[in-house]
Amino acid sequence: DAGVIQSPRHEVTEMGQEVTLRCKPISGHNSLFWYRQTMMRGLELLIYFNNNVPIDDSGMPEDRFSAKMPNASFSTLKIQPSEPRDSAVYFCASSLAPQGYTEAFFGQGTRLTVV
Amino acid sequence: GQQLNQSPQSMFIQEGEDVSMNCTSSSIFNTWLWYKQDPGEGPVLLIALYKAGELTSNGRLTAQFGITRKDSFLNISASIPSDVGIYFCAGQLRRDDKIIFGKGTRLHILP
Repeated sequence: DAGVIQSPRHEVTEMGQEVTLRCKPISGHNSLFWYRQTMMRGLELLIYFNNNVPIDDSGMPEDRFSAKMPNASFSTLKIQPSEPRDSAVYFCASSLAPQGYTEAFFGQGTRLTVV
Repeated sequence: GQQLNQSPQSMFIQEGEDVSMNCTSSSIFNTWLWYKQDPGEGPVLLIALYKAGELTSNGRLTAQFGITRKDSFLNISASIPSDVGIYFCAGQLRRDDKIIFGKGTRLHILP
């Protein structure tokens, strides 16, 4: 199994630009999570999808952030416009319910730098 | 809100030594998890604990779910170079709740 696949691995963009991060979950998994990791705040859950439907987006920091899951094999996290404080590593993870959150498999992450 | 405190933040040990790290919470959890993150990778689940007092092993790793449900520890025996990385504890109150992660313990192994 290929695992959770994220792209790009690294993204450097200028402040104000739109950024789109992509994720392909493990085939057959029906839960998908987007996390953000920073030195200051650690790992934070941004949004959780189950069967392609957003269940909990309380972690999305502000309206500049949006996430979609148009089908079971693809999700995007978009930041528009980006700001330097958005610089972080963004992880996508997937799991097979009913394990839910606990047995999620993480991708390798996208390291975002906003200059 | 719920917070997890991991200690120590960083450890430097000699290869072959045993390691102990712990995690405490201001509130109870009903599930405790330990993850390891290698450089440039995402976290990988090492051990999941679902019952207070539970002691679970995974190879050289042993983790315990504290009786008070407010703490957990992870031991690594006979450390080897590939144990280097960041170890995160995480807690969950209910099965459908979000997982709360600690800030991690960074393990360094000296040759």
